[in-house]
Amino acid sequence: DAGVIQSPRHEVTEMGQEVTLRCKPISGHDYLFWYRQTMMRGLELLIYFNNNVPIDDSGMPEDRFSAKMPNASFSTLKIQPSEPRDSAVYFCASSPQTGIDTQYFGPGTRLTVL
Amino acid sequence: AQSVTQLDSHVSVSEGTPVLLRCNYSSSYSPSLFWYVQHPNKGLQLLLKYTSAATLVKGINGFEAEFKKSETSFHLTKPSAHMSDAAEYFCVVSDGGGSYIPTFGRGTSLIVHP
Repeated sequence: DAGVIQSPRHEVTEMGQEVTLRCKPISGHDYLFWYRQTMMRGLELLIYFNNNVPIDDSGMPEDRFSAKMPNASFSTLKIQPSEPRDSAVYFCASSPQTGIDTQYFGPGTRLTVL
Repeated sequence: AQSVTQLDSHVSVSEGTPVLLRCNYSSSYSPSLFWYVQHPNKGLQLLLKYTSAATLVKGINGFEAEFKKSETSFHLTKPSAHMSDAAEYFCVVSDGGGSYIPTFGRGTSLIVHP
């Protein structure tokens, strides 16, 4: 298996633009997580899915953020409109069954909003 | 409720000397505990995990950690540091209290001097 795949690896955009981050989890994993990492706040859980269903989105910072998982092999995190404070590294991770299982992280997307 | 505290934000060692990264946790249930490593510009990778089996857990690259319930600690150690160990290390707790969603510590940056 190729592991968790994220695209793009780097994204530079201007304030106000829509940004879409993509994730392909490991096949057979039931859980998918979206994290944001910044120097100031560390690693933050934004939202997680179980069997394609969003379970907890309490970490999503604002209504500007939305996430979907239309099928077991694809998820998106969208920011509309983007702001400079959204600049961060966004990670997607998948896990076989429950949260006590190992999480497998993607390489991350480095987002810069100018 | 669960929480995790990494007691040092930075640890600096010389190559060939022992490594100790400290982690204390709080959990209302029997926890699962993890250490993840993040090398620069990479995603997180599992080093080792404790899930109620042996209290001394061995991981990759010569790292190990000991679960001490009486001290609520899960410190990470390595007998001899290598330059390639320089990275960010995250302690993670998941206590299964409802959601099984892990909580990440703020991270400890390990610096290895030649």
